[in-house]
Amino acid sequence: AQSVAQPEDQVNVAEGNPLTVKCTYSVSGNPYLFWYVQYPNRGLQFLLKYITGDNLVKGSYGFEAEFNKSQTSFHLKKPSALVSDSALYFCAVREQLKAAGNKLTFGGGTRVLVKP
Amino acid sequence: DAGVTQSPTHLIKTRGQQVTLRCSPISGHKSVSWYQQVLGQGPQFIFQYYEKEERGRGNFPDRFSARQFPNYSSELNVNALLLGDSALYLCASSAELREQYFGPGTRLTVT
Repeated sequence: AQSVAQPEDQVNVAEGNPLTVKCTYSVSGNPYLFWYVQYPNRGLQFLLKYITGDNLVKGSYGFEAEFNKSQTSFHLKKPSALVSDSALYFCAVREQLKAAGNKLTFGGGTRVLVKP
Repeated sequence: DAGVTQSPTHLIKTRGQQVTLRCSPISGHKSVSWYQQVLGQGPQFIFQYYEKEERGRGNFPDRFSARQFPNYSSELNVNALLLGDSALYLCASSAELREQYFGPGTRLTVT
């Protein structure tokens, strides 16, 4: 069984400061890892993914994430947060095995509030 | 290119009724997945279809069913609605097993 934990329900940060949203995962075998963002009354918007290769993955809107296999973590980061980054962020995992299909398992989400 | 589209946007149904939700994937995407997002929680996987065949099913009762059409659009059906079925239903499409792109969702309210 696969699972994702996002230990913080909410993260508050001042505009211009670094933003980190934490994620740890559990999966059989090697993982595919994803970050999505959800704005009010909207669907999920893809930010970035880790498949293989470099542990530091760069995505949309200046976001990046660091894959750490030993700590089974995939934390989302942004060097300088904007007020417009205020939203709900979801980490998701999928097994690499083709037989596992395309099922994503999501964490409970972390609300990010960036204050001016 | 148009993204994933879903209809209707909002729906209000009464307990015991049946509902059909519709999804059109991004052009060229053959895989469609359905997720249920209850308020305050992360999305939960319901079904995946690829090339009109079911490729995965989550822990949902048999009241939930889905199908995919030759043009790769999909329908999610829920029978005998319960109050607990109230949620945002998200459809996602992808090219084979690549990242999934989500539609805006259908907000279902069961009264």
